[in-house]
Amino acid sequence: EAQVTQNPRYLITVTGKKLTVTCSQNMNHEYMSWYRQDPGLGLRQIYYSMNVEVTDKGDVPEGYKVSRKEKRNFPLILESPSPNQTSLYFCASSFRQDEKLFFGSGTQLSVL
Amino acid sequence: GQNIDQPTEMTATEGAIVQINCTYQTSGFNGLFWYQQHAGEAPTFLSYNVLDGLEEKGRFSSFLSRSKGYSYLLLKELQMKDSASYLCAVRDARPASGGSYIPTFGRGTSLIVHP
Repeated sequence: EAQVTQNPRYLITVTGKKLTVTCSQNMNHEYMSWYRQDPGLGLRQIYYSMNVEVTDKGDVPEGYKVSRKEKRNFPLILESPSPNQTSLYFCASSFRQDEKLFFGSGTQLSVL
Repeated sequence: GQNIDQPTEMTATEGAIVQINCTYQTSGFNGLFWYQQHAGEAPTFLSYNVLDGLEEKGRFSSFLSRSKGYSYLLLKELQMKDSASYLCAVRDARPASGGSYIPTFGRGTSLIVHP
């Protein structure tokens, strides 16, 4: 089944404890991106990648890191999480950047 | 940059028709997407418009007027399962600094369908 797999689904952590949210797609998509979704603010892009080893900042990149060592994987790394990073996170991919996005099931992160 | 405006919330009755509007201001335009998002779930693609006019897909249709910076999503024969948030996303004609044309999302319209 073609899909974007994101883990974990829920995560509760404490300030400063490094964490990684994984994202993997099995559709051979070139384009992958991370969004956060907050009430009243909608989806905001954090980082994106147009291909392996090519990543760039979105609208709200501060406090986040990403890597794209393989085409299928695009993990999101929070080196030192803070409470303002409590949010619902979505990974998304598309075959090309101008096509529709396929979203993962989301990760609800709470930073205490 | 882009400015996208959608109503925050709408209500409608099962079996009725509802129109969800999206207006945008952008320095360039290269396509508009509509996504549906049920509570607690991921957004899923509904439609894409790049030329003026109406695109029909079953009970859902999407309209675009580039000169007016305006789009709407029309849902016919509403069903309870259509209760969801509807996201308008606009893609700029010019790439961002890294070369991305990834769309900017509006804040979404929460549609509540009553029996």
